[in-house]
Amino acid sequence: GAVVSQHPSRVICKSGTSVKIECRSLDFQATTMFWYRQFPKQSLMLMATSNEGSKATYEQGVEKDKFLINHASLTLSTLTVTSAHPEDSSFYICSASYHRDQPQHFGDGTRLSIL
Amino acid sequence: KQEVTQIPAALSVPEGENLVLNCSFTDSAIYNLQWFRQDPGKGLTSLLLIQSSQREQTSGRLNASLDKSSGRSTLYIAASQPGDSATYLCAVNQGGSEKLVFGKGTKLTVNP
Repeated sequence: GAVVSQHPSRVICKSGTSVKIECRSLDFQATTMFWYRQFPKQSLMLMATSNEGSKATYEQGVEKDKFLINHASLTLSTLTVTSAHPEDSSFYICSASYHRDQPQHFGDGTRLSIL
Repeated sequence: KQEVTQIPAALSVPEGENLVLNCSFTDSAIYNLQWFRQDPGKGLTSLLLIQSSQREQTSGRLNASLDKSSGRSTLYIAASQPGDSATYLCAVNQGGSEKLVFGKGTKLTVNP
């Protein structure tokens, strides 16, 4: 089955640090990638939709200057949390899709902890 | 605005039981509906995808049904096993984009 690799799985860093998270589709070309944030016992909240070669589309209330998304190729999208603060601590998950009639494939998530 | 609700929030059953998880959505104009499984601290694994024109999908011990007009879907798990313990998430995709709207999930515990 389709595989999405997300790296790193866990990050612990000091406040003010910028953190980059990578999302790769390993065995298919993803026309669209999605970035989600999940709080404990809460649903996944879509942050942005990323299409290869174009600017990401951010959901309402998500700061695009805070959460920088780059979709450089059909197999790689990155999310950079800039100048992270404790309130940015969360579980971030990416997913990739190559056709809307097919299931989205998710990475294993990144647990971000800002001290 | 589409809202997805899953009931119950948590469910604990003995091994071997058949069970049903419920999902409801407020806007029936969906393109498809997906059921996912999430293990603690992990991403999501796709279980079943039902197109809006379909009534049900089956995979092994899992059966998902869709009643689009009433805004409901169920996930039926037959002969539950301890390995089925996880959080089950329902998500709908509306026309026009591939974005998914998720419910909060049902945390299932199957006791040996």
